[in-house]
Amino acid sequence: ELKVEQNPLFLSMQEGKNYTIYCNYSTTSDRLYWYRQDPGKSLESLFVLLSNGAVKQEGRLMASLDTKARLSTLHITAAVHDLSATYFCAVDNQGGSEKLVFGKGTKLTVNP
Amino acid sequence: DVKVTQSSRYLVKRTGEKVFLECVQDMDHENMFWYRQDPGLGLRLIYFSYDVKMKEKGDIPEGYSVSREKKERFSLILESASTNQTSMYLCASSQSNQPQHFGDGTRLSIL
Repeated sequence: ELKVEQNPLFLSMQEGKNYTIYCNYSTTSDRLYWYRQDPGKSLESLFVLLSNGAVKQEGRLMASLDTKARLSTLHITAAVHDLSATYFCAVDNQGGSEKLVFGKGTKLTVNP
Repeated sequence: DVKVTQSSRYLVKRTGEKVFLECVQDMDHENMFWYRQDPGLGLRLIYFSYDVKMKEKGDIPEGYSVSREKKERFSLILESASTNQTSMYLCASSQSNQPQHFGDGTRLSIL
């Protein structure tokens, strides 16, 4: 059974600082997604990572995937308040069923 | 842009009632999903469908059923609502091997 673990679950950081959110998963998969959720809103797709070594960047966020280590990271560079949100990773459950297993989410608060 | 529309943002029902949550997508996506989201538990898949009249159980299907009579519409049914089904319900749709697109969610309270 595929399990997805994110850490930390809560992250409070100051503007201008860097930090990394980690997403570990338990069984082989070659597709991983990162989503963002603002309070009271729905989930918005940020990145799709499809192969080992994949790296995607958008603004101050960079995501990477290491399929051998079963690990994805979401790196935040020089955080700003607008990045405050909950970030989820989701891993494709294989078998061609389109099922995703989500991590519990990381609630990020960026303080001025 | 993909639009996934859930029929209600907030819904209050009573224990034992039959509850219908409706979801419509406008991008001709094959796959549709129902999740519930609870604090500390993340998103958990209830049911999904990869074609009209096709459905598969997710991780927590007990107490729920679904219906997909048309490609664009996926309904979640609570056969006899109970208080432990109070939650945020999220619908999503996707094309194969593409990110899922989510609706705004329905916050359901069962009294």
